[in-house]
Amino acid sequence: AQKVTQAQTEISVVEKEDVTLDCVYETRDTTYYLFWYKQPPSGELVFLIRRNSFDEQNEISGRYSWNFQKSTSSFNFTITASQVVDSAVYFCALYTGTASKLTFGTGTRLQVTL
Amino acid sequence: DSGVTQTPKHLITATGQRVTLRCSPRSGDLSVYWYQQSLDQGLQFLIQYYNGEERAKGNILERFSAQQFPDLHSELNLSSLELGDSALYFCASSVFADSRSSGNTIYFGEGSWLTVV
Repeated sequence: AQKVTQAQTEISVVEKEDVTLDCVYETRDTTYYLFWYKQPPSGELVFLIRRNSFDEQNEISGRYSWNFQKSTSSFNFTITASQVVDSAVYFCALYTGTASKLTFGTGTRLQVTL
Repeated sequence: DSGVTQTPKHLITATGQRVTLRCSPRSGDLSVYWYQQSLDQGLQFLIQYYNGEERAKGNILERFSAQQFPDLHSELNLSSLELGDSALYFCASSVFADSRSSGNTIYFGEGSWLTVV
């Protein structure tokens, strides 16, 4: 079975702080895909990144970076110098051929204050 | 803007009623997915269509049904509505049927908020 665990339910930081959102996944598939989505207060789900299981390179996009570690089945997301606009719920998701669907974690609510 | 369009954005209806949620996928996308987001269940996969054919089925109730039309838009029909069906319903789309395909990212619409009273 596929499972995604986001142990941090809620995180509060002050603007300009760095913050890391944890994601741990479980699957027996050797090929799989990991995603991060952002859900701002308005409700839409915004795609942030897609990572293949065979590509363990970390990725950086502006203030966002992702650390994929197969050895620990983790795909963590770091926001550097957080801003109020980063306040949202962030979801990690796993896609496998076995499940043939995106399995989401329960999300981490990030609150960035001034 | 993801390019996935959902209507209506908000809907309030009474128990026992039937509603239809509509989704237009991104231009060029052949695959449509429906997800339900509720407070107690989180984000749950309901069903997927690819080029008009049902491809995968998740936790979709028998009272719910969906279809994808020749122009690739999709509709999710919810009938005999119960209070517990109140949720945010997302449509998503992708180019391919299978997200293992290279470059197959799943983009979500803004969702349809359904409130059953």
